Amino acid sequence: VYMAQSPPSLSASVGDRVSITCRATQTIDNYINWYQQKPGEAPKLLIYAASTLQTGVPSRFSGSGSGTDYTLTISGLQPEDSGTYFCQHSYSTPWTFGQGTRVDIK
Amino acid sequence: QVQLQESGPKVVKPSETLSLTCSVSGDSMNNYYWSWIRQSPEKGLEWLGYIYSSDNTNYNPSLKGRVIMSLDTSKNQFSLNLKSVTAADTAVYYCARDRFAVIDYFDSWGQGILVTVSA
Repeated sequence: VYMAQSPPSLSASVGDRVSITCRATQTIDNYINWYQQKPGEAPKLLIYAASTLQTGVPSRFSGSGSGTDYTLTISGLQPEDSGTYFCQHSYSTPWTFGQGTRVDIK
Repeated sequence: QVQLQESGPKVVKPSETLSLTCSVSGDSMNNYYWSWIRQSPEKGLEWLGYIYSSDNTNYNPSLKGRVIMSLDTSKNQFSLNLKSVTAADTAVYYCARDRFAVIDYFDSWGQGILVTVSA
């Protein structure tokens, strides 16, 4: 299953609402996770099973979608949200990741 | 809180075997799947496979039979062996815990180790 992630990058202001999408090449039935990665660090789990917030992750992060199309939304962008975001499906092996979306703060 | 730490050679010669170990602390290794994931500018994040027990492994077919993973719960470690490496195997290698709750996801990661394939 290939995960097409978009946009490759975006720039937004503090307080903005931003959305990142992933489209799978087949239905993945909410078997999708979202991660945040900062430079020099490992990815960090934000959301699993499409919409379940990992413990400790701020509630401004949310996930939605169904079938082949999924969205990560940051409602009220904060300076510490800069980084690269990845989707990953676990519908069937081999699990694959999207190519990433780099988020910059204006 | 579980912690993972990768260790091993940072430079490997072409055609040789890349060997890495992940040391796990802060939690039992039982009842979890343990994965290796690598990241390169060319391929992005790539899941290499997981191990649950010595007879329960799942490898990415893209590695074409070059990979073997092993587990030593008495030492709280699991390992990756990737043979016949080429420059295309140069990447940051991460070990990660694969937690299953509704679906599989990677809830804990090591810091990563950059492995360069070079003569």
